[in-house]
Amino acid sequence: QVHLVQSGAEVKKPGASVKVSCKASGYTFTGYAINWVRQAPGQRPEWMGWINAGNGQTKYSQEFQGRVTITRDTYASTAYMELSSLRSEDTAVYYCAKSVWERSGWYYYDYWGQGTLVTVSS
Amino acid sequence: DIQMTQSPSTLSASVGDRVTITCRASQSISSWLAWYQQKPGEAPKLLIYKASSVQSGVPSRFSGSGSGTEFTLTISSLQPDDFASYYCQQYNSFSTFGQGTKVEVK
Repeated sequence: QVHLVQSGAEVKKPGASVKVSCKASGYTFTGYAINWVRQAPGQRPEWMGWINAGNGQTKYSQEFQGRVTITRDTYASTAYMELSSLRSEDTAVYYCAKSVWERSGWYYYDYWGQGTLVTVSS
Repeated sequence: DIQMTQSPSTLSASVGDRVTITCRASQSISSWLAWYQQKPGEAPKLLIYKASSVQSGVPSRFSGSGSGTEFTLTISSLQPDDFASYYCQQYNSFSTFGQGTKVEVK
């Protein structure tokens, strides 16, 4: 049974960084990508980036380019998303998702973590 | 960027109703579209991928159709567990979501 378990809620001050973890189990971690998606209160989900858990290749949304870094630890079957230079607009629930690659070259998401609330406030 | 627009934003329905939600893409996305259900405080749950393929374990009352720029999600007979928000996602180029449709009790 596939499970993605994320780290707990965070409260950060503007300008700080946050690192969220996502521990996977129930499938071969290196065989799939992990995507990160965030959802601000009352808003639609927003794609942030992905990592190929096998070879470590990453791709980021232009919206977050330069501020987001996605990494993985294959021995721990864990992916990480770090977002820097936080501002109040970054307050959101951050999700990791196991991803299925399609011939379009992009992914849909078949299993999701439970979400991590990141609150940015002075 | 490909923009995704859902309609309606809110839908009031009763148990047993047939419900249809529409998602339009700003340019052709072939069949690279997924549908998710989300309940308050929970992560989205995959229902449909590649426009019309039903994810394993999803009840057969859910179906998807369409290609190009216009897509629909249909619930053939609404059940109490189906009152939730629904999002479409295109994955033809990058990944973008519609603004959501909330299905509420009439």
